[in-house]
Amino acid sequence: GIQVEQSPPDLILQEGANSTLRCNFSDSVNNLQWFHQNPWGQLINLFYIPSGTKQNGRLSATTVATERYSLLYISSSQTTDSGVYFCAVVRAGNMLTFGGGTRLMVKP
Amino acid sequence: EPEVTQTPSHQVTQMGQEVILRCVPISNHLYFYWYRQILGQKVEFLVSFYNNEISEKSEIFDDQFSVERPDGSNFTLKIRSTKLEDSAMYFCASSETLIAKNIQYFGAGTRLSVL
Repeated sequence: GIQVEQSPPDLILQEGANSTLRCNFSDSVNNLQWFHQNPWGQLINLFYIPSGTKQNGRLSATTVATERYSLLYISSSQTTDSGVYFCAVVRAGNMLTFGGGTRLMVKP
Repeated sequence: EPEVTQTPSHQVTQMGQEVILRCVPISNHLYFYWYRQILGQKVEFLVSFYNNEISEKSEIFDDQFSVERPDGSNFTLKIRSTKLEDSAMYFCASSETLIAKNIQYFGAGTRLSVL
């Protein structure tokens, strides 16, 4: 099956700092989603981005499908950005395959 | 914004007991899914469901698991005889279309604790 690797596994930031999270995948994909898992365990949709670039406030994402990676940018980080960020892809069918996540802690 | 609703938020059960986890998908969605996340690990696909049939399932989804859409709104996951290793967060998701290029929306999850 498809492999999804995320880096870094852990990230600690000071409030206000910027960061880039990376997602590499081993094969072509039909769907790519980024999620934020908050401290209560909820999975929040951030982006649906199988290719191209999207922005939503302080967050933006870019997927380069031909090179099999996606990047999530967080600018001016806030303590509420803390949690785990997951990338997930669909290779075929409708099954999302998740990466291992990046655990982000933003300190005040 | 429409959302996927899961109940209960936390379920505690004894090993060997049956549990049913409930989900109300977004109303115009056609595809439904269950995923699980063991504490500290990645989210794993269990099963997808369309037109009252299972369309895909993973090797985790063995004979102990079943899914059902008992009426026009609910989607359930049943675990027949729970084991300690079934303790996890279970997520329901739904999507609007049949093709792979579609967004899956997740519920808030049910945390299952098997004692």
